[in-house]
Amino acid sequence: QVLLAQSGAEVKKPGASVKVSCKTSGYTFVNNYIHWVRQAPGQGLEWMGIINPRGGGTGYAQKFQGRLSLTTDTSTSTVFMELSGLRFDDTAIYFCARDGRYCIGGNCFLYNNFDPWGQGTLVVVSS
Amino acid sequence: QSALTQPASVSGSPGQSITISCIGSNSDIGTYDHVSWYQQHPNTPPKLIFYEATRRPSGISDRFSGSKSGNTASLIISGLQPDDEAIYYCSSYTANSTWIFGGGTKVTVL
Repeated sequence: QVLLAQSGAEVKKPGASVKVSCKTSGYTFVNNYIHWVRQAPGQGLEWMGIINPRGGGTGYAQKFQGRLSLTTDTSTSTVFMELSGLRFDDTAIYFCARDGRYCIGGNCFLYNNFDPWGQGTLVVVSS
Repeated sequence: QSALTQPASVSGSPGQSITISCIGSNSDIGTYDHVSWYQQHPNTPPKLIFYEATRRPSGISDRFSGSKSGNTASLIISGLQPDDEAIYYCSSYTANSTWIFGGGTKVTVL
């Protein structure tokens, strides 16, 4: 069973940084990309970025360029999301989610979806 | 890049069918079949219910179906049930090598 287990809630002051972890299990860690998505209170979903655990390549939404850093620890099958320069409107639930993957003739491709999701981590930015 | 456009709410009686639309552009839905749909009940993470526009994951009821035409994707829920009451989000891969979500549609079972 594929599971993504995230770290606990955080309360941070404006200007600080937060680092959220997403520990994966139930599959070969380096085979699937991991996305990060956030959801502000009562609002919709917002894609933040993606990381390829095989090599560490990343892609970020333009909105988060320069503030967002995604990294991995292959020894523990864990992905980390660090957001710096926190503002009040960064208050949200942050989710990690795995992208699906299929292979044909030795070439592998993304399904470009989000499945499964971690349970979410609430980050509150408050003075 | 603006979010995909979904109706804010859709409602139906038990047993009825409803359709949720998701309107994008030539930079996302119009070019790629990488459209997926998610169901979110309160205080839970989203759950994948459709991907690649027309593919249903194992374990998802066949009351859910998906389609795509031009810049618009659609999710059809047939035989509406009380547990279908949730918020539904569409998502698409984009030409900028990013992903984008719709604003979400609240489904109410009357």
